[in-house]
Amino acid sequence: TQLLEQSPQFLSIQEGENLTVYCNSSSVFSSLQWYRQEPGEGPVLLVTVVTGGEVKKLKRLTFQFGDARKDSSLHITAAQPGDTGLYLCAGGRSGAGSYQLTFGKGTKLSVIP
Amino acid sequence: EAQVTQNPRYLITVTGKKLTVTCSQNMNHEYMSWYRQDPGLGLRQIYYSMNVEVTDKGDVPEGYKVSRKEKRNFPLILESPSPNQTSLYFCASSLDLYQETQYFGPGTRLLVL
Repeated sequence: TQLLEQSPQFLSIQEGENLTVYCNSSSVFSSLQWYRQEPGEGPVLLVTVVTGGEVKKLKRLTFQFGDARKDSSLHITAAQPGDTGLYLCAGGRSGAGSYQLTFGKGTKLSVIP
Repeated sequence: EAQVTQNPRYLITVTGKKLTVTCSQNMNHEYMSWYRQDPGLGLRQIYYSMNVEVTDKGDVPEGYKVSRKEKRNFPLILESPSPNQTSLYFCASSLDLYQETQYFGPGTRLLVL
C-alpha cells in the first residue's frame, strides 16, 4: 500500500501555463517535504512545511500543507522549461528515537517551450 | 564544498558476487540513509542510521546490510546480489534526527545480471 499518493503521475504543459500537483495520504505526518529531481541526479529539497494549513512561496512555486497534515499541494505559476523534472513529495514521521521519510512515486513534469 | 559522495556511480555485476557501495558526507551529519529508486515504485528507504553504531531497517531492507563505524561513512553492502536488486541507489544525510532536510548523493546505478 502506497502511503503517499501523488497526482498526476505525468504532466505535459505549454510554457506559461499554471499547474498543480497533489500529494495525498490517510496518515498524519509531522512534516511534508517537496523535492525536485533531474535526470542523473539526486533529489534536491525545495521546501519543508510543518504546520497544518501552512503556505510557503518560492518564487513561482506555492506549497500548501493541509489543515490535518495529511496532504499537500504544489502550484506552479507561469511554468518555464526550466521547471521540467520529477517532483517528489515526502512525509516525515518521528517515533520514539526514530525517524522515517516516506516518498510518493513522483510527478514527472514536462514544460514545452 | 558540502556534499554527499557515492562510489561507484555505475556498476554491472553478476548474481552472487558481493559488492559494496560507499557513501561519504563531509557535513558532520548524524543521520544517514539509503534509498532505492525504481520505475513505478518511487524512492524507498532501505536502511538508516541515526548515529555511529546505530542503524535500523527501512521499508525494504531484505538482501542488504549497512554499517556505520564512522560518522562520515555509511556503506551499503550486498552480500549476494540478485537481479531484483538492479536499481538506482541514493545515499542521503541530514544534520540530525530532527533536522529533516536531507541532502542526497548523485546516485549509483546498479545492474545485476
